[in-house]
Amino acid sequence: AQSVAQPEDQVNVAEGNPLTVKCTYSVSGNPYLFWYVQYPNRGLQFLLKYITGDNLVKGSYGFEAEFNKSQTSFHLKKPSALVSDSALYFCAVRDKAGRRALTFGSGTRLQVQP
Amino acid sequence: DAGVIQSPRHEVTEMGQEVTLRCKPISGHDYLFWYRQTMMRGLELLIYFNNNVPIDDSGMPEDRFSAKMPNASFSTLKIQPSEPRDSAVYFCASMGPSATDTQYFGPGTRLTVL
Repeated sequence: AQSVAQPEDQVNVAEGNPLTVKCTYSVSGNPYLFWYVQYPNRGLQFLLKYITGDNLVKGSYGFEAEFNKSQTSFHLKKPSALVSDSALYFCAVRDKAGRRALTFGSGTRLQVQP
Repeated sequence: DAGVIQSPRHEVTEMGQEVTLRCKPISGHDYLFWYRQTMMRGLELLIYFNNNVPIDDSGMPEDRFSAKMPNASFSTLKIQPSEPRDSAVYFCASMGPSATDTQYFGPGTRLTVL
């Protein structure tokens, strides 16, 4: 069975400071990893994904994530946070060889203070 | 492209009533997923289809839930009879044929069962 852990329910950061939202995963094979963002009363918006290749993945809105196989982590990062980044962030995983459905983490609420 | 379209956006019904949620996937996508989001259980897969055929319905809670995909551009999720514990946000997502494709989500249907 596959699983995703997002250890922080909430992350608070000041505008302009770097942010990190943590994610660790467990799959039986090689993973495909994803980050989505959810704004209030909206659906999930795709941010970025790791499929293969370079461990540092760049995505939308200046976000990036680093795949670390030895630590089974895929932390989301941004060099300089904006107030508009405040939202709920979900990490998701699927096994390359397995079913197409995603397994999601519990979500991390990012609060960026002005 | 209009993205994944879901209707209705909000549904309020009384316990025991039948509820039908609708989804139109992105044109050309041959995978369609139904997820449910609740505070207690987070985001969980209910069922997914490939080329209109149900592939994995292990997440469907019980016989009260049923899903169909009569053609490539339309899917329904039906709850009959509805119960208060079915109150949640129901998301539809679609994905292209490649294993590396991204799932794109609709805006969701917020269901309240009184």
